[in-house]
Amino acid sequence: KQEVTQIPAALSVPEGENLVLNCSFTDSAIYNLQWFRQDPGKGLTSLLLIQSSQREQTSGRLNASLDKSSGRSTLYIAASQPGDSATYLCAEGGSEKLVFGKGTKLTVNP
Amino acid sequence: DTGVSQDPRHKITKRGQNVTFRCDPISEHNRLYWYRQTLGQGPEFLTYFQNEAQLEKSRLLSDRFSAERPKGSFSTLEIQRTEQGDSAMYLCASAHGGAGNTIYFGEGSWLTVV
Repeated sequence: KQEVTQIPAALSVPEGENLVLNCSFTDSAIYNLQWFRQDPGKGLTSLLLIQSSQREQTSGRLNASLDKSSGRSTLYIAASQPGDSATYLCAEGGSEKLVFGKGTKLTVNP
Repeated sequence: DTGVSQDPRHKITKRGQNVTFRCDPISEHNRLYWYRQTLGQGPEFLTYFQNEAQLEKSRLLSDRFSAERPKGSFSTLEIQRTEQGDSAMYLCASAHGGAGNTIYFGEGSWLTVV
């Protein structure tokens, strides 16, 4: 059974700090790894998608990496801002379905 | 491109009643998904359509659940004889083309069964 684990479950940091969110997965034949953001009571917004042949993707202050051999992905957020406060979810899978972790709730304090 | 639209956004129903949710995907997206999310958990896969064909269903989708996408455009998710355990947010998502393309989620439909 494919499983995705995210640690920590919650993280609180001061504004301006660089931070790393962790995601581990059990599927060694991973197809894609995606990171999403979810605001309270809202749907999910896709942040970055890393295909299995790729090692990382970058978008603005976000950088996501993928290490299939260790079964890990990280989401790096540079110079965090209060507006980054949200739950961040990672998910692995292909065109048929995604398997999600439970998310990391990030709070950036002004 | 107006995004994935879901209706209703909130539904409160009594146990035993039937409910139906509608999802309008981004136009020309051939793939459509339904997920269920409860508080503190990540979304769980329910079912997947490619055009009008339902290609995969989760074991979470009991006989009381049925999903359709009759013309390969909008989709409906019906829950019959609702139970309190069905209370959750039901998320619809769509994507275009191959597996390497981004999946776009709607805002979700909240179901509360009382």
